[in-house]
Amino acid sequence: QKEVEQDPGPLSVPEGAIVSLNCTYSNSAFQYFMWYRQYSRKGPELLMYTYSSGNKEDGRFTAQVDKSSKYISLFIRDSQPSDSATYLCAMSPNTNAGKSTFGDGTTLTVKP
Amino acid sequence: KAGVTQTPRYLIKTRGQQVTLSCSPISGHRSVSWYQQTPGQGLQFLFEYFSETQRNKGNFPGRFSGRQFSNSRSEMNVSTLELGDSALYLCASSLRDIAGEQFFGPGTRLTVL
Repeated sequence: QKEVEQDPGPLSVPEGAIVSLNCTYSNSAFQYFMWYRQYSRKGPELLMYTYSSGNKEDGRFTAQVDKSSKYISLFIRDSQPSDSATYLCAMSPNTNAGKSTFGDGTTLTVKP
Repeated sequence: KAGVTQTPRYLIKTRGQQVTLSCSPISGHRSVSWYQQTPGQGLQFLFEYFSETQRNKGNFPGRFSGRQFSNSRSEMNVSTLELGDSALYLCASSLRDIAGEQFFGPGTRLTVL
């Protein structure tokens, strides 16, 4: 079993919908949690970076971490066609990038 | 500010050959990390260089190697290519090796026939 499991998708929603993307993990040492967006033929782009449990909001994006359940989520409000991409969760026991473990990604399509 | 650049963008090789991929980090960034991305294994860490020294290494065989030059540009080399090495190879740079501070390049798509 992988340390990080991500809802595989693909996910297709109409424009304006609220999107929920989720990952679960098994390593209780993970303290830092990240969400990346990856467009086709591009490298991943960091969206959200959170430490420990709680919520973090940035514009239309909200990241939630529930360490007791080993569960993290990314919510996208008022989704736009430009949000169509693959979303990767990643987590690490410390700030060292080399220790990060990534999920396999969820591909999201937002239809106009 | 220019982003991370990787060359070449696409590469086709045959089994047994070797390949060298290049990464130019964002100006001023001293940390360069390499990742392999495949549909089956996802994104996996290869190694990280800081000021020409390898500081971290992932769980890949010795066929995968890298180096960093004094101008922070980095290369990775894969020798004796196998079919399973077909992947997108991503380079990421940061001022320090901090997970939330990495900027990724567009990647090099390697196909091994």
